[in-house]
Amino acid sequence: DAGVIQSPRHEVTEMGQEVTLRCKPISGHNSLFWYRQTMMRGLELLIYFNNNVPIDDSGMPEDRFSAKMPNASFSTLKIQPSEPRDSAVYFCASSYSRYEQYFGPGTRLTVT
Amino acid sequence: SQQGEEDPQALSIQEGENATMNCSYKTSINNLQWYRQNSGRGLVHLILIRSNEREKHSGRLRVTLDTSKKSSSLLITASRAADTASYFCATDEGYQKVTFGTGTKLQVIP
Repeated sequence: DAGVIQSPRHEVTEMGQEVTLRCKPISGHNSLFWYRQTMMRGLELLIYFNNNVPIDDSGMPEDRFSAKMPNASFSTLKIQPSEPRDSAVYFCASSYSRYEQYFGPGTRLTVT
Repeated sequence: SQQGEEDPQALSIQEGENATMNCSYKTSINNLQWYRQNSGRGLVHLILIRSNEREKHSGRLRVTLDTSKKSSSLLITASRAADTASYFCATDEGYQKVTFGTGTKLQVIP
């Protein structure tokens, strides 16, 4: 298995632009998590899905952020409009039940 | 606030020495996990200890869990330069929710 796949690996965009991050979880995993990591705030859980259904989105910073999981093999995290304070590394992780999570390589987002 | 708080925030040791990191948490948990993150990479799962276990070993790793004190420790024996990374504890509070701590940055000097 290729592991969790994220794209793009790096994204540089201007303030106000829409940003879409993509994730393909490991086949057979039923939970998917989106995290944001910054030096100041550490690793923050934004949202997680179980069987494609959003279970907890309390970590989503504000309405500019939205996430979808249309099927078991694909999820997106969208920021519209983006702001410089959204600059961070965004990780997607998947797991089977509540056991170990497998993290993707992350997307480094820079908003100028 | 963070469920898990690691201590120390940073640790620097010589190769061959043992490294101990601690994690404290606030609420009841189903299990506790430790992860490693190399610079610029995603987190990698190391070990899971269930709430009814007190100690677990995996290779050079030893994890303890004290639910009465709401704390856990990760011991890495005979450290190597390749162990240089950040280490995070993650607490499973149920309902598929796992919360990561603030991390300990370990540097192993060759």
